[in-house]
Amino acid sequence: QKEVEQNSGPLSVPEGAIASLNCTYSDRGSQSFFWYRQYSGKSPELIMSIYSNGDKEDGRFTAQLNKASQYVSLLIRDSQPSDSATYLCAVNAGGYQKVTFGTGTKLQVIP
Amino acid sequence: GAGVSQSPSNKVTEKGKDVELRCDPISGHTALYWYRQSLGQGLEFLIYFQGNSAPDKSGLPSDRFSAERTGGSVSTLTIQRTQQEDSAVYLCASSLDADNEQFFGPGTRLTVL
Repeated sequence: QKEVEQNSGPLSVPEGAIASLNCTYSDRGSQSFFWYRQYSGKSPELIMSIYSNGDKEDGRFTAQLNKASQYVSLLIRDSQPSDSATYLCAVNAGGYQKVTFGTGTKLQVIP
Repeated sequence: GAGVSQSPSNKVTEKGKDVELRCDPISGHTALYWYRQSLGQGLEFLIYFQGNSAPDKSGLPSDRFSAERTGGSVSTLTIQRTQQEDSAVYLCASSLDADNEQFFGPGTRLTVL
């Protein structure tokens, strides 16, 4: 059973701070990693994908992947109230296997 | 281009009735997923189609649930003899292939009275 673990939160950060969201996974052979944002009552939307060890930056978002330690994280710099949402981590083991989602971390950015 | 579309957006049915939910994936996407999400809960995987391979049905909660994907494109999720616990939002997602990011449709909100 492939597992993807996330702290359910809520994670509360003040406006302007850095929010750090973490995800661990059980399948060491996992190949593809994704972060999605889901606002209440809406569908998940893709924020970032990462495939190689290290950091990947896109605007205020940075995804970090460490395959040796089997974790992937998402940093949100200069957090805004509009970033308040549930963030879902998704992992794909490759070989046409299905993607596995974590249960999500609820982020609250306090003005 | 067009994203993933789902219909209907809302469906209210009576307990015991059958329902069909439709998903139109992004053109050219070979992978298609169905998920269920109850209020305040995470995504519950239901079924996964990848190209012409046999679907992964490991998430279907009971034999009342079935899905098909015709011609590698449109998919229909059928729930027979609906129960109140089937009430949830049903989400469809597609991806270029299994290793790529998924794009979600807007969902169908199913309410079983």
